[in-house]
Amino acid sequence: SQQGEEDPQALSIQEGENATMNCSYKTSINNLQWYRQNSGRGLVHLILIRSNEREKHSGRLRVTLDTSKKSSSLLITASRAADTASYFCATDARNDYKLSFGAGTTVTVRA
Amino acid sequence: DGGITQSPKYLFRKEGQNVTLSCEQNLNHDAMYWYRQDPGQGLRLIYYSQIVNDFQKGDIAEGYSVSREKKESFPLTVTSAQKNPTAFYLCASSNLDGGLYEQYFGPGTRLTVT
Repeated sequence: SQQGEEDPQALSIQEGENATMNCSYKTSINNLQWYRQNSGRGLVHLILIRSNEREKHSGRLRVTLDTSKKSSSLLITASRAADTASYFCATDARNDYKLSFGAGTTVTVRA
Repeated sequence: DGGITQSPKYLFRKEGQNVTLSCEQNLNHDAMYWYRQDPGQGLRLIYYSQIVNDFQKGDIAEGYSVSREKKESFPLTVTSAQKNPTAFYLCASSNLDGGLYEQYFGPGTRLTVT
């Protein structure tokens, strides 16, 4: 079952702008992860945030987690054409190592 | 050069034939997973395995079978019982130590059944 739902489904921005996408989930989680998928390729892990963390940074990425609202956001700052991809959130529940993926947000960065 | 390999990249089959997709990892990961992805959609879990000779059904196991005879290998067979087999199939693996469960993905196999 897909636990996470990303919003928006698609996003188009100009190079240099910031891109923000959100993920909501239904049940308690252990960790939340974000992955990127370039067209026709496998997924690449971007960042993981634990349930007891509120914010995490990695390069141009910033992830927030609000467990009271069961939601997370991914911010990509100063976007580049190479950021064009689909972005997925994935959650794992306590004592369960398998991930549940959302449907993804497709980001297009226009030059 | 560590990673996950899937072969072939593209696979074409006639309806009614079984087909086996290969997945190999040299990351020494305990867990391996198979996902199906349909156009514009997220990943749906088919089967997963934590240890050799043991595996569990995911959300959409019907019409699929797997084996885990070696830690490095987790082949997926798409049987003729799978009603809509045309899809993009992704294999992944993860280390179960530390409880972080970050998954590493292969490049995928695009299966077309006509």
